[in-house]
This record gives sequence, C-alpha cells and structure tokens, in this order.
Amino acid sequence: ETGVTQTPRHLVMGMTNKKSLKCEQHLGHNAMYWYKQSAKKPLELMFVYNFKEQTENNSVPSRFSPECPNSSHLFLHLHTLQPEDSALYLCASSQTKTAGANVLTFGAGSRLTVL
Amino acid sequence: QKEVEQNSGPLSVPEGAIASLNCTYSDRGSQSFFWYRQYSGKSPELIMFIYSNGDKEDGRFTAQLNKASQYVSLLIRDSQPSDSATYLCAVDNYGQNFVFGPGTRLSVLP
Repeated sequence: ETGVTQTPRHLVMGMTNKKSLKCEQHLGHNAMYWYKQSAKKPLELMFVYNFKEQTENNSVPSRFSPECPNSSHLFLHLHTLQPEDSALYLCASSQTKTAGANVLTFGAGSRLTVL
Repeated sequence: QKEVEQNSGPLSVPEGAIASLNCTYSDRGSQSFFWYRQYSGKSPELIMFIYSNGDKEDGRFTAQLNKASQYVSLLIRDSQPSDSATYLCAVDNYGQNFVFGPGTRLSVLP
C-alpha cells in the first residue's frame, strides 16, 4: 500500500446508524486531517491531528467524532447523522516543515450518503 | 476569517491555448500557496506549490505569486482536453491551517 488509503470508498447509512471511516497513511507523515467536500462548496477542514494530538477542531458537530490512535491511522466515527452530512469525506496527511511548503497528500475519499 | 477566492468558471479554452487561473487570498500571513487539480469524483492531487514571489515553472505549468497584491495564479500552456478539471487554490501559514478556495472549473475544448 502506498500514499493515503481510505475505507470504505462508499457508505450509505440511515440517520440512526453508527459507522466509521478509516484512513491510513504510508508516507511517514506526522499530521493527518479530515476534510468535508459538499457539492458547490469549498473544502472544509474538520479536524487536524499532529503527532496524534488534536490541534484543530473547526466547530464540527459532535455527531462526528475523530480518533487518532497513532500518526499513521485516523478514524471518523459517525452517529445520528443528518441528510445534509452527505458529502465526500477526504483524509489527508502532511509532514510539518519549518522551512519550505507543508504539502497535503489526499486519500481517494469516502463518499457518504445519509438517508 | 481567512478567505481564498477563485472565479468558479467554467473557464473554456481551446486545445493548445494558454489557460490562466487566478486566486486571491485575505491572510497576509500566508506563507505557502498550492494548486491542486480535482477530476470529477476524484480527490485533489497536487500540481505545484510556490512560496517565493515570482514565477515557478514545472513542465506546462507556471505558478505566479505576488504577495504584495495577495494574488497567485496558475498558467497552463498548450492546454489539453485531459486538463479539464476543477483547479483548487490553497494557502497555508505553516500552522497546518490550509484554506481552500472554491475551485475554478476548466474545460479544454478539442
């Protein structure tokens, strides 16, 4: 496996279900991110983890619960979601640098549909 | 509120022409600037980044940065139909605070 892998690629769930999205990065990066991409909206940053510590939480509703057990794995636990949460959820990773650019590498995304 | 603005398009250019994509940003503290390409139904992929004023060239792509004007652009020379995608501008201030623009949809006509 190389790069950033996300599973599942597609998920359909009811509003009362509990599911999880998984992300794994094989790049040796120290930071991992969850982004949400809805139709006709910019990418929205949800959570950032740096060395498995959460450093950013962009006012995300509590029905989204992130978990980062180590620098290579990131989960997004989902419960009691709303139809408007249907979107493409993108995981990304980066290596923090003090000089030069801090480049994001994205996974293929998990397409979530909430019925 | 940090903002990144782009013309949503669609920007249509004929095959072989130069496509010019523009982006402005509000945070003067922004240090690094990125262009990502996103095909429909796919995730964004990095085209190039720039962090010094001036031009940076990579093959058919040239990124231009003007920090005084808070403006960054991407030129695509000899545009190909395979370049048809949405181009996302993103800025970062070393704080892992990436902010993305809404993207410009480019259509290269054969």
